[in-house]
Amino acid sequence: GAGVSQSPSNKVTEKGKDVELRCDPISGHTALYWYRQSLGQGLEFLIYFQGNSAPDKSGLPSDRFSAERTGGSVSTLTIQRTQQEDSAVYLCASSLEGDGSPLHFGNGTRLTVT
Amino acid sequence: DQQVKQNSPSLSVQEGRISILNCDYTNSMFDYFLWYKKYPAEGPTFLISISSIKDKNEDGRFTVFLNKSAKHLSLHIVPSQPGDSAVYFCAASLVNFNKFYFGSGTKLNVKP
Repeated sequence: GAGVSQSPSNKVTEKGKDVELRCDPISGHTALYWYRQSLGQGLEFLIYFQGNSAPDKSGLPSDRFSAERTGGSVSTLTIQRTQQEDSAVYLCASSLEGDGSPLHFGNGTRLTVT
Repeated sequence: DQQVKQNSPSLSVQEGRISILNCDYTNSMFDYFLWYKKYPAEGPTFLISISSIKDKNEDGRFTVFLNKSAKHLSLHIVPSQPGDSAVYFCAASLVNFNKFYFGSGTKLNVKP
């Protein structure tokens, strides 16, 4: 596809379970970002990848959160032992070089932890 | 500590009139600013940007103004159309562009 693809679009999970969110960036985009938007809040930065490396993980809220990117393409964000406060829309974005090129966002994964 | 703030959660404007969306930031090192538009159940889409060396950038009906001394930027939409109804986010970045800081958004409603 031409845009950033995220899956699943919706995920409901029980507190304490692990979840994995997937992002397929635009082909050729070397920079990849994860953000999340909690209800009524702005977009909160989580992590940035340039290629397969993550020079900035400063936004990950706790050690229950981790992310990886393989082949300079697909990225997965994993949340272990989910808590109710993890409920949010998780947005992935990619950009051509990470040089200020505008971010292209996917439609997000809405995570609900019950 | 929110470095980019949009203090108006919502704005209602009549079709054909001007919409002015405001954004303030605290970090004087920010040097690149963007506006994104978001429809429900979709990701934000890029609208317009401005670098700190400029004070105005125009693209069709959309103009962004930057006042560095006040650490303030605004987005003007004129004339406003019902299809402009969406949530608008402003964002700012440092020179390394590794991280974009977003405001909390302003929901614009353009009434026909």
